Amino acid sequence: EAQVTQNPRYLITVTGKKLTVTCSQNMNHEYMSWYRQDPGLGLRQIYYSMNVEVTDKGDVPEGYKVSRKEKRNFPLILESPSPNQTSLYFCASSSTKRGTDTQYFGPGTRLTVL
Amino acid sequence: GQQVMQIPQYQHVQEGEDFTTYCNSSTTLSNIQWYKQRPGGHPVFLIQLVKSGEVKKQKRLTFQFGEAKKNSSLHITATQTTDVGTYFCAAASFDQTGANNLFFGTGTRLTVIP
Repeated sequence: EAQVTQNPRYLITVTGKKLTVTCSQNMNHEYMSWYRQDPGLGLRQIYYSMNVEVTDKGDVPEGYKVSRKEKRNFPLILESPSPNQTSLYFCASSSTKRGTDTQYFGPGTRLTVL
Repeated sequence: GQQVMQIPQYQHVQEGEDFTTYCNSSTTLSNIQWYKQRPGGHPVFLIQLVKSGEVKKQKRLTFQFGEAKKNSSLHITATQTTDVGTYFCAAASFDQTGANNLFFGTGTRLTVIP
């Protein structure tokens, strides 16, 4: 089944404790992206990647890192999480390098930073 | 970055009533997409519009792209409880160099009262 998976689905952590949210897609998609969703703000892009070893900042990249060592995986790293990073996070992939085509979203990761 | 305004933010309707959400941009869009997010779920692609003045239908859903390619609407006829969720538009700006990303509207949360 074609899908985007994320882990963990729920995470409660404390300020400053490094964490990684994994994202994997099995559709051989070129483009992958991370979004955060906050009430009243919709979906805001954090980082995106058009190919292996190619990543770039989205609209809200501060406090986040990403890597794209393999085509299928695009982990999101929070080196020192803060309470303002409490949010619902979605990974997405798209079949073309330009991220303007259909986005396939993962199930989401709900992160709480205390 | 690109701004896509979406209204209304919330809409409560009686089952059987119609519903419309609107997306507006100050710049010309190369395409616009619509996504639906069920409560507790992730955004799921509904449709993409590319041509000026384009109208597409999916059963009770009608999608329109403005003549100037700066606005779009989603209209649901005779809402059902299964229509509950948040509807997002997402647009790529024609003027933006590279147009690598989609910009999501803030979403319209639809509640259908049985």
